[in-house]
Amino acid sequence: NAGVMQNPRHLVRRRGQEARLRCSPMKGHSHVYWYRQLPEEGLKFMVYLQKENIIDESGMPKERFSAEFPKEGPSILRIQQVVRGDSAAYFCASSPGTSGASYNEQFFGPGTRLTVL
Amino acid sequence: AQTVTQSQPEMSVQEAETVTLSCTYDTSESDYYLFWYKQPPSRQMILVIRQEAYKQQNATENRFSVNFQKAAKSFSLKISDSQLGDAAMYFCAYRGPNTGNQFYFGTGTSLTVIP
Repeated sequence: NAGVMQNPRHLVRRRGQEARLRCSPMKGHSHVYWYRQLPEEGLKFMVYLQKENIIDESGMPKERFSAEFPKEGPSILRIQQVVRGDSAAYFCASSPGTSGASYNEQFFGPGTRLTVL
Repeated sequence: AQTVTQSQPEMSVQEAETVTLSCTYDTSESDYYLFWYKQPPSRQMILVIRQEAYKQQNATENRFSVNFQKAAKSFSLKISDSQLGDAAMYFCAYRGPNTGNQFYFGTGTSLTVIP
């Protein structure tokens, strides 16, 4: 069973460009979370999605950031008109979303490191 | 909002010795989950150990164990017989009782293992 997949692993963008980060959850997982890790800091929650629904986006900046988790395909975190302050590692995590031994656990992907020039 | 505090930005330990990493948290909930994650230079987040708040017994995973003090809201990680591969950033994390609750992370402790 493959783990959480994220691509690309590294992404370089110039100021003003768009960044699209992809996350494929573990097989059978229907809940996806996005976190951002700024340099020298811990991970900060951004958004929680289920298939076709945004459940909690309380950690997402109000402008330029959006996320989706379509019925088919990976979850996408989209950052429009990137600025230098967006440079960070972006982690995706998934969980089964149902009761069971590991329902309260989130499995993390390897992250995408975004660098804005 | 819940907060997680790791007051030790850096720690070091001699190989084969024991080290304890501190974590405190603030919450008004009575049921919750606590985790320790390891982040090596590869940046992959690796689950080390987890504790359910309703369990009084401290969790143990091989060389890793926790000291969970619910009343004091303290959740420290003890690494016994430290190995070079243990060198990494360690993050303490809190999660509420409900499905879909987000994780709250501390700022991390950088652990160096001295050969």
